[in-house]
Amino acid sequence: GDSVTQMEGPVTLSEEAFLTINCTYTATGYPSLFWYVQYPGEGLQLLLKATKADDKGSNKGFEATYRKETTSFHLEKGSVQVSDSAVYFCALKEGSNAGKSTFGDGTTLTVKP
Amino acid sequence: DTAVSQTPKYLVTQMGNDKSIKCEQNLGHDTMYWYKQDSKKFLKIMFSYNNKELIINETVPNRFSPKSPDKAHLNLHINSLELGDSAVYFCASSRGAGGSQPQHFGDGTRLSIL
Repeated sequence: GDSVTQMEGPVTLSEEAFLTINCTYTATGYPSLFWYVQYPGEGLQLLLKATKADDKGSNKGFEATYRKETTSFHLEKGSVQVSDSAVYFCALKEGSNAGKSTFGDGTTLTVKP
Repeated sequence: DTAVSQTPKYLVTQMGNDKSIKCEQNLGHDTMYWYKQDSKKFLKIMFSYNNKELIINETVPNRFSPKSPDKAHLNLHINSLELGDSAVYFCASSRGAGGSQPQHFGDGTRLSIL
């Protein structure tokens, strides 16, 4: 079955540091890939997405590129802020699987001033 | 103007009780979901409905029964609550069940079993 493997956390960075959170996936078809962010006490929010190979999703300074050859969708940000502290989830969704999404285990990011 | 709203936000109850969680979305979506998030933040799909029809039913005890009276609502009823049911339950919706559509999540219902 489908699976998503995320870099283990927690991750602690200083403000303005470079962020990478690794995500690799296993899927039988051609999934769409997503990054969601969860702030404390809230639900998940879509951060960015990519629907086919070589697509780059971007939002709020975050970027991720759909790499089919390495089955990866790593999340990056050039300069993190304290307000980026949250839990980040990588997810895939296959069109052929009645809309079922598979989520990674989440990576907790803490940014210190 | 909340897109996906769940009630209640907090639910504290005794083991053995029966409880319900309600979910409503005003986004015009036709697909809705229930997820369970445990204390380690792991997120697992429980159920999904598309146009009021059940399309995903993961390995969930039959004490959990979803009901979708219309496309905008998906409720979750839990019988005979157990300690292991303590978690945060999230409702979500999407436009269509297809792969490219993201999901919109509610803020969760924090269920604590005493």
